[in-house]
Amino acid sequence: DGGITQSPKYLFRKEGQNVTLSCEQNLNHDAMYWYRQDPGQGLRLIYYSQIVNDFQKGDIAEGYSVSREKKESFPLTVTSAQKNPTAFYLCASSLKGLADVYEQYFGPGTRLTVT
Amino acid sequence: QQQVKQSPQSLIVQKGGISIINCAYENTAFDYFPWYQQFPGKGPALLIAIRPDVSEKKEGRFTISFNKSAKQFSLHIMDSQPGDSATYFCAASMEYGNKLVFGAGTILRVKS
Repeated sequence: DGGITQSPKYLFRKEGQNVTLSCEQNLNHDAMYWYRQDPGQGLRLIYYSQIVNDFQKGDIAEGYSVSREKKESFPLTVTSAQKNPTAFYLCASSLKGLADVYEQYFGPGTRLTVT
Repeated sequence: QQQVKQSPQSLIVQKGGISIINCAYENTAFDYFPWYQQFPGKGPALLIAIRPDVSEKKEGRFTISFNKSAKQFSLHIMDSQPGDSATYFCAASMEYGNKLVFGAGTILRVKS
């Protein structure tokens, strides 16, 4: 079964703790993305990576960090510097668009609650 | 200039009716306009997409209308069904779809 796996589905943390969200894909996609979804605000891009060992900041990267050591994995760390970390986090992947547009496939998401 | 403005925020349609969701953009460099459908607790899934070289694209009951001069595009759902009840997002990108900018979303409810 090909797809994107995000774990866990629900995550609870105390304020001041760093937390890492997992994203794994077996679609052999080059590019991977992290989005944050808040009610009424759509999806906002946090970080993206088009190739192993390289990644770029999206629109709301402050307080987050990522790594891309393997093609299939793109974990996101929500640090204590993120002021409002409670949100629904979505990971996506796609082939890398060099000559055409490629669909982004989304994982099922992780709902993070920080209290 | 990077924004995509989506309206309405929510929409209630009777079964069998037409659902219409509108989006507007400013950045003329955008060259790919997808619509995503999201059910509660799930990730979004691509519904239909259009490039600016065509004015309309139809797939089953779903149609995108694109007005390049007005910088607007819309999703029409014909014969709306209760199973279409979901949140719909328009998006836009350049760079061959690698960086998507999303609208705020429209919550559609189809009443049976």
